[in-house]
Amino acid sequence: NAGVTQTPKFRVLKTGQSMTLLCAQDMNHEYMYWYRQDPGMGLRLIHYSVGEGTTAKGEVPDGYNVSRLKKQNFLLGLESAAPSQTSVYFCASNRDRGPDSPLHFGNGTRLTVT
Amino acid sequence: TQLLEQSPQFLSIQEGENLTVYCNSSSVFSSLQWYRQEPGEGPVLLVTVVTGGEVKKLKRLTFQFGDARKDSSLHITAAQPGDTGLYLCAGALGYKYIFGTGTRLKVLA
Repeated sequence: NAGVTQTPKFRVLKTGQSMTLLCAQDMNHEYMYWYRQDPGMGLRLIHYSVGEGTTAKGEVPDGYNVSRLKKQNFLLGLESAAPSQTSVYFCASNRDRGPDSPLHFGNGTRLTVT
Repeated sequence: TQLLEQSPQFLSIQEGENLTVYCNSSSVFSSLQWYRQEPGEGPVLLVTVVTGGEVKKLKRLTFQFGDARKDSSLHITAAQPGDTGLYLCAGALGYKYIFGTGTRLKVLA
């Protein structure tokens, strides 16, 4: 099994450009999450989904949109990129809310906005 | 506002030394997890603690959940270079997992 796959791995955008980050999981997990990781800040939750067709805001949702049209995919969109969105983005998924259902992470997308 | 504060932020120690990493919050969590992250990869789960006061051991690593389920600690005995990495705690709040600020550990041979 591939687990959680993120594409692309790297991307450079100019201010104002748009892009979509794709996350795909093959574990039939219900819950999926998008985090951003910045030095000294740990991981901050952008948006999450508790099932196909549902999305909810996390800690830092501004400037991002998400969609979960299929259970296995969770898309993160930047409509008008800003330098403050330069970060490493991680997608994660888990089966349910139980304590024996850890988060499974992808290997990240490194985004630079100039 | 960061809900989960970790300390120290950075730690550089010699092989064989002991260390403790702390994860503190004013929020009560239903469970708390510890992850380790290597460069270029996503975090990988080390342990989950659920009950207040719970202690779990994973070889040389000892994890403790505070009695009030607001804080946790990770103690490493006789650290080895293979322990080098970024350690993250994460608290479960409803459907969400809130991560701490991270502790970057470097163990020198």
